Amino acid sequence: DAKTTQPTSMDCAEGRAANLPCNHSTISGNEYVYWYRQIHSQGPQYIIHGLKNNETNEMASLIITEDRKSSTLILPHATLRDTAVYYCIVRVFWGRDDKIIFGKGTRLHILP
Amino acid sequence: ETGVTQTPRHLVMGMTNKKSLKCEQHLGHNAMYWYKQSAKKPLELMFVYNFKEQTENNSVPSRFSPECPNSSHLFLHLHTLQPEDSALYLCASTPGDNSPLHFGNGTRLTVT
Repeated sequence: DAKTTQPTSMDCAEGRAANLPCNHSTISGNEYVYWYRQIHSQGPQYIIHGLKNNETNEMASLIITEDRKSSTLILPHATLRDTAVYYCIVRVFWGRDDKIIFGKGTRLHILP
Repeated sequence: ETGVTQTPRHLVMGMTNKKSLKCEQHLGHNAMYWYKQSAKKPLELMFVYNFKEQTENNSVPSRFSPECPNSSHLFLHLHTLQPEDSALYLCASTPGDNSPLHFGNGTRLTVT
């Protein structure tokens, strides 16, 4: 089973910041938080990941709480092309137990 | 373009047919994965191969048979499938450590 919980769906106005929450209250000390998104009929696309520090790249920012029990993915200026299902995943450092289990994700609708 | 290529993109097969799905990556990755995505369901992990060795079989029925002849290629052999096996089958790869998964765009399988 997935170790994360996310809202089923969210709306965000185009041009505004989209903030997608994720709860992972049972996360272990060596597990990373990963975010992927899936646009209809395509494979999931990697967005960002982190362990305990906040991270930023050209696509998004990842804010992880100090206790690591939750995180927020931030798309700073959402566009219509950001409409997708967003998945939050916890993943142990690679090894023979690297199963990478996906949950149901959040369906993000960007409204014009 | 993710570097992971899946063929065919679409496949329609009868329940008595035998077919194979192919996944190819030339990214130098050592781990490859098969996922199944049924309509309105999360991605389900099916098989994991690390360095050509199968390390995970997530209780997948024997009518699905994976094969990993080398680190660049992964196959999923299908025989006597059921209509409920109709789904999007996704292949992914990763170099290892905590690097993200790279997904192909999947094969849309319809079993009639």
